[in-house]
Amino acid sequence: RKEVEQDPGPFNVPEGATVAFNCTYSNSASQSFFWYRQDCRKEPKLLMSVYSSGNEDGRFTAQLNRASQYISLLIRDSKLSDSATYLCVVRANAGKSTFGDGTTLTVKP
Amino acid sequence: EAQVTQNPRYLITVTGKKLTVTCSQNMNHEYMSWYRQDPGLGLRQIYYSMNVEVTDKGDVPEGYKVSRKEKRNFPLILESPSPNQTSLYFCASVKQGTGTGELFFGEGSRLTVL
Repeated sequence: RKEVEQDPGPFNVPEGATVAFNCTYSNSASQSFFWYRQDCRKEPKLLMSVYSSGNEDGRFTAQLNRASQYISLLIRDSKLSDSATYLCVVRANAGKSTFGDGTTLTVKP
Repeated sequence: EAQVTQNPRYLITVTGKKLTVTCSQNMNHEYMSWYRQDPGLGLRQIYYSMNVEVTDKGDVPEGYKVSRKEKRNFPLILESPSPNQTSLYFCASVKQGTGTGELFFGEGSRLTVL
């Protein structure tokens, strides 16, 4: 079993749809959680950090459930420009970051 | 402009010919790390460095070396490249010394070993 698991998708949704991604992690000592976005094999870029209380940034909402060891990302009112691969990142200690394999999203007109 | 710079961006080489991929950051970050990305395997950590002269293995360190003589530079060395090291490589640095903050990535280096 992988340390960090994501549904690879692909998710194909129409513009305006709401889509949710989940990510589970196996290390209960994990401390920091992030969602990154990656376009066409370019470098990943931070989308959101994920906090225990949940956090929102415009159309994006991230949540963390430590008891069940999963994090989620909700995208509302999807735009064509949201098409990308979304990577879940979990950090258990100061040095080591573990990435999920990514979930591919395609938003269609 | 704050950035992480990798070179070369693209390289085709042959088995056994030593090569170095350089990584430099201008943000005075203490933490730096190397990853490789392969289809179906995601991003995997090769080595990381918490500070100058402090390096440690990630998940896939075999066949790689690193050094951290200066804070801004963290080169990745392939002493004897093999075809299974054909991959897309990313260098990243972190703002906070504890390594818990946002990872800033370089643009990537696409390496092909024939």
